Amino acid sequence: SQTIHQWPATLVQPVGSPLSLECTVEGTSNPNLYWYRQAAGRGLQLLFYSVGIGQISSEVPQNLSASRPQDRQFILSSKKLLLSDSGFYLCAWRRPALAGGPLKPILFYEQYFGPGTRLTVT
Amino acid sequence: AQSVTQLDSQVPVFEEAPVELRCNYSSSVSVYLFWYVQYPNQGLQLLLKYLSGSTLVKGINGFEAEFNKSQTSFHLRKPSVHISDTAEYFCAVSAYGGATNKLIFGTGTLLAVQP
Repeated sequence: SQTIHQWPATLVQPVGSPLSLECTVEGTSNPNLYWYRQAAGRGLQLLFYSVGIGQISSEVPQNLSASRPQDRQFILSSKKLLLSDSGFYLCAWRRPALAGGPLKPILFYEQYFGPGTRLTVT
Repeated sequence: AQSVTQLDSQVPVFEEAPVELRCNYSSSVSVYLFWYVQYPNQGLQLLLKYLSGSTLVKGINGFEAEFNKSQTSFHLRKPSVHISDTAEYFCAVSAYGGATNKLIFGTGTLLAVQP
């Protein structure tokens, strides 16, 4: 079965310090991977997604960057943290699935989320 | 482009009472619809999804949702809630197909079940 891990679970960092959050997926190959940020009262914001090694798309220009050095590893980084970077960071991967019957199959994708990292910038 | 609106940021309800969490979406193309639940300090878990066919879909933990195309809504319901249902609930949409399969989330509704 597939599992997704995030490290660390919680992090407290001073303003101006660097950041590195790690996400790894087990039990699948070549997954699409996603980084979301959840700020209080603002829902989930898609930050980056990756369809393969070295392929990163940014959804929101900001202080963060992402990298995918290996097939099942997705890293979120920053050179200098801002107070506004505080939040709950979620990694996700997608899995294709089939629904409907044999005459009219529906291909769709389910996203599965990791346990998250709580980042507090002080 | 798609968007999702969850008008209620918080819904207080007493235990064993029914509840409805509202979700409206906007899209110029056909979409898939999802409800996710997030317990405190945890990731998101899929509750249910609408792909096609019957407009009433059932999910885990006794929740169900009804897709209404004319009203572009996908409201979540449960006939009798428990304390353990206290969590944040997110509605999301995804356009058919697409290499990236981006999910667009609403801002979430906190369901607070009181004894």
